[in-house]
Amino acid sequence: NAGVTQTPKFQVLKTGQSMTLQCAQDMNHEYMSWYRQDPGMGLRLIHYSVGAGITDQGEVPNGYNVSRSTTEDFPLRLLSAAPSQTSVYFCATRDNLITEAFFGQGTRLTVV
Amino acid sequence: GIQVEQSPPDLILQEGANSTLRCNFSDSVNNLQWFHQNPWGQLINLFYIPSGTKQNGRLSATTVATERYSLLYISSSQTTDSGVYFCAVERGSGTYKYIFGTGTRLKVLA
Repeated sequence: NAGVTQTPKFQVLKTGQSMTLQCAQDMNHEYMSWYRQDPGMGLRLIHYSVGAGITDQGEVPNGYNVSRSTTEDFPLRLLSAAPSQTSVYFCATRDNLITEAFFGQGTRLTVV
Repeated sequence: GIQVEQSPPDLILQEGANSTLRCNFSDSVNNLQWFHQNPWGQLINLFYIPSGTKQNGRLSATTVATERYSLLYISSSQTTDSGVYFCAVERGSGTYKYIFGTGTRLKVLA
């Protein structure tokens, strides 16, 4: 049982490049979300999904796109990377009841 | 929006000491979790505790929802307890939006 798996763990991009951060879960949780963590700060919500085909914006959505075609996967896309998107990105899942959230191990992204 | 404040921001302890970390929130919440972020960046679930008291080994937590605070107790601290401790709250039922505090950075010295 892998839980929440994020890939890659580390990535360096040049300004203007695009990439997709992957998040996969095997817990059959309905709810998935993406957070970013900047130095000295807590996590901030980027986008979230309450089920396949349903996504919504969080606190800091600009510059990011998401889609949810299956229950298991919730990729985060950066269409044109900017240095301000240098951060550590976490994916999280929960079931559709109010219970604890589970986080992936994070993706450390640097945009130069 | 709801504000989440954690104190103290930094804490240095000798191995074996006890500590109390506090999380205050500005409005009623439906959900509260404590996390430990280890030095490798991994977020580890400690407690899901929207109300009441829970214990897990040397760690325990209490949330008094009516007074809008939660406490995390660490007893007999070990060097492996070092890292950052976050509390996160969810404002309303089914919003699925966690608001994180800025954390307490703990360093335990051998």
